[in-house]
Order: sequence, then C-alpha cells, then structure tokens
Amino acid sequence: SAVISQKPSRDICQRGTSLTIQCQVDSQVTMMFWYRQQPGQSLTLIATANQGSEATYESGFVIDKFPISRPNLTFSTLTVSNMSPEDSSIYLCSVEGSLGPYNEQFFGPGTRLTVL
Amino acid sequence: GENVEQHPSTLSVQEGDSAVIKCTYSDSASNYFPWYKQELGKRPQLIIDIRSNVGEKKDQRIAVTLNKTAKHFSLHITETQPEDSAVYFCAASIGYGQNFVFGPGTRLSVLP
Repeated sequence: SAVISQKPSRDICQRGTSLTIQCQVDSQVTMMFWYRQQPGQSLTLIATANQGSEATYESGFVIDKFPISRPNLTFSTLTVSNMSPEDSSIYLCSVEGSLGPYNEQFFGPGTRLTVL
Repeated sequence: GENVEQHPSTLSVQEGDSAVIKCTYSDSASNYFPWYKQELGKRPQLIIDIRSNVGEKKDQRIAVTLNKTAKHFSLHITETQPEDSAVYFCAASIGYGQNFVFGPGTRLSVLP
C-alpha cells in the first residue's frame, strides 16, 4: 500500500483565518480524496481531486470554502477557508491503491483542526 | 445516491466471543465493500474487503459475507481479543475512481 503523509498533524486556529493541509504520497496515484471526520462521527467525502482537472465537490461542500490543488500525481492540498468553530474536525486524505477495477483506499494519518 | 446503514452502533462482547456487524446499502450498482478499523486517534485501516463476485471471504479471525440480492454485508470477528476494540466502518463503492460511502460506524468493546 502507498505511504501517505499529511501536514500539519494538528493545528489550533482562530476564527476567520484559513489553513492549508498538505497530503503527500510516495507513489503516483490518479485519484485522491479528501474526507472530513467530525468528533465521534463517520467519514464524509468533501471532494475528489484528479490531477489535471478541477476537483469534484460533494453536496454541501463548495470550492470557495474548501479550495483544493492537485499539482501532480503525488501531492494535493486542501484549504479550509474563513474558518468557524464548526470546521473543527479531522481532515483526511486518501488514495486508491490499485489500478482497478476495484478500488482499495488508504488513508493518511489525518489533520486534527480546532477552531477557536 | 448510495446510502449505507450499519448496526449496531455499539457492541460489547466478552473476550473470546464472536462479534457481528451488519451493513445494508441502497445502490445495486455497488460492487466493492471494504471494512475499516479505526483505533482512537488513528487513521482508518483497511482490514478486509469483499467484491461483488464472491459471497464470502475470510482472513484468520475475520470474515465478511455479502448478499447482493438483499443488499447487505456483514463483518464477523471470532475469538475476539481486547485489541479488537475500536470503531469499525463499512463502506460501499460502485468501482474504481469512485468515492466510498461510509456507514456511521460501530464501536466495539471487547471486555477482558
């Protein structure tokens, strides 16, 4: 499986500021996904990031709030913009580990965000 | 879109007993069903998965069964140990390049 790292591992931010989370993979992958996990909850997909194209956002998530970059096949960033306490969550990136037709996904260690 | 339900939300078993977690899904096009284990403060880890062309898969103490007609799949853990205590998530996907839809999770506690 791919080795995935995220930076930062945790952060405490002030309301109204923005935080950019980085996801680095040790091999080239086509699909990267960004999830949010609120305290005690399941994983909710924010967006799918495909290299060379605009990210695809799920219902309830918009590009202005969660802009995503995917400059190459090993790296992606997620920005949480104009933060409020409701954005306090763990943010995880994941990558597909195979070439199909089935798609095992492997998760990064997560970024724990607290907004004051 | 796909909807995945998971039961029970919490489960306590005595060490050595078996644990069963059940999931149902709504989209008949789903063909891949992974199970993830998440320990406190850790990332979700894939523990087993099943694909739509098989009905059962086993890996040591863990097994998963799939009933495509009824659209449900289950995780079975035998001879439970305290280190099995974690939150378990099921998920469903319609294939490569598509996202997972996760169930709400089951918190399993194995009591010594």
